[in-house]
Amino acid sequence: EAQVTQNPRYLITVTGKKLTVTCSQNMNHEYMSWYRQDPGLGLRQIYYSMNVEVTDKGDVPEGYKVSRKEKRNFPLILESPSPNQTSLYFCASSLSAGGEQFFGPGTRLTVL
Amino acid sequence: GQNIDQPTEMTATEGAIVQINCTYQTSGFNGLFWYQQHAGEAPTFLSYNVLDGLEEKGRFSSFLSRSKGYSYLLLKELQMKDSASYLCAVRDRSSGNTPLVFGKGTRLSVIA
Repeated sequence: EAQVTQNPRYLITVTGKKLTVTCSQNMNHEYMSWYRQDPGLGLRQIYYSMNVEVTDKGDVPEGYKVSRKEKRNFPLILESPSPNQTSLYFCASSLSAGGEQFFGPGTRLTVL
Repeated sequence: GQNIDQPTEMTATEGAIVQINCTYQTSGFNGLFWYQQHAGEAPTFLSYNVLDGLEEKGRFSSFLSRSKGYSYLLLKELQMKDSASYLCAVRDRSSGNTPLVFGKGTRLSVIA
């Protein structure tokens, strides 16, 4: 089944404790992206990747890192999480930039 | 830059027709998507318009007027399960960092 998977789905952590949210797609898509979604603000892009080893900042990259060592995986890293990073995070992939995006199920992160 | 506007909330009656509008301002328009998102779930693709006119897909139709910077999503024979947020997203080829820009979404409530 073609899908985008994210793990964990739910996470409660404390300020400053490094965490990684994994994202994997099995559709051989070149483009992958991370979004955060907050009430009243909609989906905002954090980072995106056009292909392996090619990543770039989106609208709200501060406090996040990503890597794209393999085509299928695009982990999101929070080196030192802060409470303002409490949000619902979505990973998405598409054949090309700007194409129909397939979203993962979301990761609800709470930073205390 | 991009600016995408949609109404924040709408309410409609089961069995009725509802039209959700989206206006946008971009310098390099190259397509418009509509996504549906149920509360706490991932967005799912509904439609894509790149040329002017109406695209029909079952109970859902989407219209685009590029000269007016305007699109609408039309939902017919509303069902309770159509209660969700509807996201308008614009592909802007002039933007290097955010190829797909999302509006804040319209929350539709379908009532009996």
